[in-house]
Amino acid sequence: DGGITQSPKYLFRKEGQNVTLSCEQNLNHDAMYWYRQDPGQGLRLIYYSQIVNDFQKGDIAEGYSVSREKKESFPLTVTSAQKNPTAFYLCASSFFSGINYGYTFGSGTRLTVV
Amino acid sequence: DQQVKQNSPSLSVQEGRISILNCDYTNSMFDYFLWYKKYPAEGPTFLISISSIKDKNEDGRFTVFLNKSAKHLSLHIVPSQPGDSAVYFCAASAQGNEKLTFGTGTRLTIIP
Repeated sequence: DGGITQSPKYLFRKEGQNVTLSCEQNLNHDAMYWYRQDPGQGLRLIYYSQIVNDFQKGDIAEGYSVSREKKESFPLTVTSAQKNPTAFYLCASSFFSGINYGYTFGSGTRLTVV
Repeated sequence: DQQVKQNSPSLSVQEGRISILNCDYTNSMFDYFLWYKKYPAEGPTFLISISSIKDKNEDGRFTVFLNKSAKHLSLHIVPSQPGDSAVYFCAASAQGNEKLTFGTGTRLTIIP
């Protein structure tokens, strides 16, 4: 079955530590995205990548970093520079051929800083 | 600049009645619109979409209406069921833009 997998589902981090969230897809999608959702808020775009070895900042990229070494994988690192890292993180992927007809989302990772 | 707006953060509807969720957009370049449904601690799932060449699309209990002149779309759920309780996001895309633009979501609660 094709899909997009995020791991782990729950993650705890001590203040001052970096942590990496995994996102893998086997849908042969070109583009991948990272969003953050906070309680009572919508989806805010962190980073996105349309092709391998290329990515762009979204609306709230500060304190985050990404890589796209393989088409299937788009890991997100939450660095110690991110001031409010506790949130629900969503990865998504899509085809893109001039217009985006919709994302497939992963099931999310809840990150808690302790 | 919020290009896609969902002005009602929450909505409560009696089971069996119609739920109407609204979404407004400002970018006239948007030509494809989607609704996603999200349960807590899960990723959003695709519900229904509509192209700008149509004004209505129906899928079972779900119907999306698009009014291009008003830059407004709505999602109708009828009859509403308890399992419909979730957050609903509308999203839009434009030719040449690789990203979707999301609204802030509306929390729908179906009252048994």
